[in-house]
Amino acid sequence: GAVVSQHPSRVICKSGTSVKIECRSLDFQATTMFWYRQFPKQSLMLMATSNEGSKATYEQGVEKDKFLINHASLTLSTLTVTSAHPEDSSFYICSAATGRSEKLFFGSGTQLSVL
Amino acid sequence: GQNIDQPTEMTATEGAIVQINCTYQTSGFNGLFWYQQHAGEAPTFLSYNVLDGLEEKGRFSSFLSRSKGYSYLLLKELQMKDSASYLCAVWDNYGQNFVFGPGTRLSVLP
Repeated sequence: GAVVSQHPSRVICKSGTSVKIECRSLDFQATTMFWYRQFPKQSLMLMATSNEGSKATYEQGVEKDKFLINHASLTLSTLTVTSAHPEDSSFYICSAATGRSEKLFFGSGTQLSVL
Repeated sequence: GQNIDQPTEMTATEGAIVQINCTYQTSGFNGLFWYQQHAGEAPTFLSYNVLDGLEEKGRFSSFLSRSKGYSYLLLKELQMKDSASYLCAVWDNYGQNFVFGPGTRLSVLP
């Protein structure tokens, strides 16, 4: 099946720094990628929908200037958490749509810890 | 290692009951999630089990047996709108990440 690679799997950073998370579709072209955030024992929260070649669509309450999303190619989307603060510590997961299947293929997630 | 298995596809009739099974192998287990996903949409959370037993929530129920590494999602009084993919996922406490199953595509027929 289709594979989505997400890196890094874990990040620990100091408050005020920026962190970039990459999401790659390895064996298919992903016209749409979704970025989620998840706190422990809670469901995934959709942050934004990323479409190749266009601006991302952010969900209500998600700061687009803080969570920068770039989807420059059909195989790569990046999420940059700018000026991270401890409250940004969370689990971030991406997923990609193939356009040929009803399934979304998920990355393995990135655990971000901001000190 | 980590491994989750679910049936790839299931078909059921409107008004019937369907059970979607999930088996998993993971280290540091700390809960099992079920998600529903309609075509082209983000998955939506259905249930969470961390203790053995049955959790009931309306038409949906989820069961967990940690000793057997087994869970099922039970859908009652099926409706056409229940046609979707159902994702089983475990929270790997050791790896601090989610491991998802491949999903079960359920088709509800009239």
